[in-house]
Amino acid sequence: DQQVKQNSPSLSVQEGRISILNCDYTNSMFDYFLWYKKYPAEGPTFLISISSIKDKNEDGRFTVFLNKSAKHLSLHIVPSQPGDSAVYFCAASEGAQKLVFGQGTRLTINP
Amino acid sequence: DTGVSQDPRHKITKRGQNVTFRCDPISEHNRLYWYRQTLGQGPEFLTYFQNEAQLEKSRLLSDRFSAERPKGSFSTLEIQRTEQGDSAMYLCASSLATGNNEQFFGPGTRLTVL
Repeated sequence: DQQVKQNSPSLSVQEGRISILNCDYTNSMFDYFLWYKKYPAEGPTFLISISSIKDKNEDGRFTVFLNKSAKHLSLHIVPSQPGDSAVYFCAASEGAQKLVFGQGTRLTINP
Repeated sequence: DTGVSQDPRHKITKRGQNVTFRCDPISEHNRLYWYRQTLGQGPEFLTYFQNEAQLEKSRLLSDRFSAERPKGSFSTLEIQRTEQGDSAMYLCASSLATGNNEQFFGPGTRLTVL
């Protein structure tokens, strides 16, 4: 069963606009959520995280929102830049243990 | 460079051969994880260690797979009698046992089984 889902395989956004990537999960025991960015031929790079006791965490251009009742999280990138073009994965964990990843969303920032 | 390193970066082997991959974590990290990623999917958990103890293994890890972390530092992942379905990117990550579970990934080893 897919406990973490990213239903949009791809997203195209104009440079300077807001990018919104979405993620849904089914396991209510998840207590930590993370977003990773991946370029081809590289390992995932950690971007931002949020604990289940919070509903928002912000770091520069990146903000993650968590809606526990809907079991939904989103990553907002504003303003979007060409270097943001990559595959983005959301991940979740129950305790400080293994990460369960979504399938990824390919973000393309157009000039 | 103090990040996670993996060796080799690429491995091509024939079906039935054994392969071994190495991962060197960030030096102060006591947890080490192995994941596998296939095309179009997110990484899938295989196993993890805290220091030298292997704490969890996924059911994805068949009897042909074995992982070790003998001195609580580097780790090896061995696949015996490789099959074409083993072709994937094998990712290693490390973290501290305390804190917010931020795992830092290496560049991965891409395995191709012919």
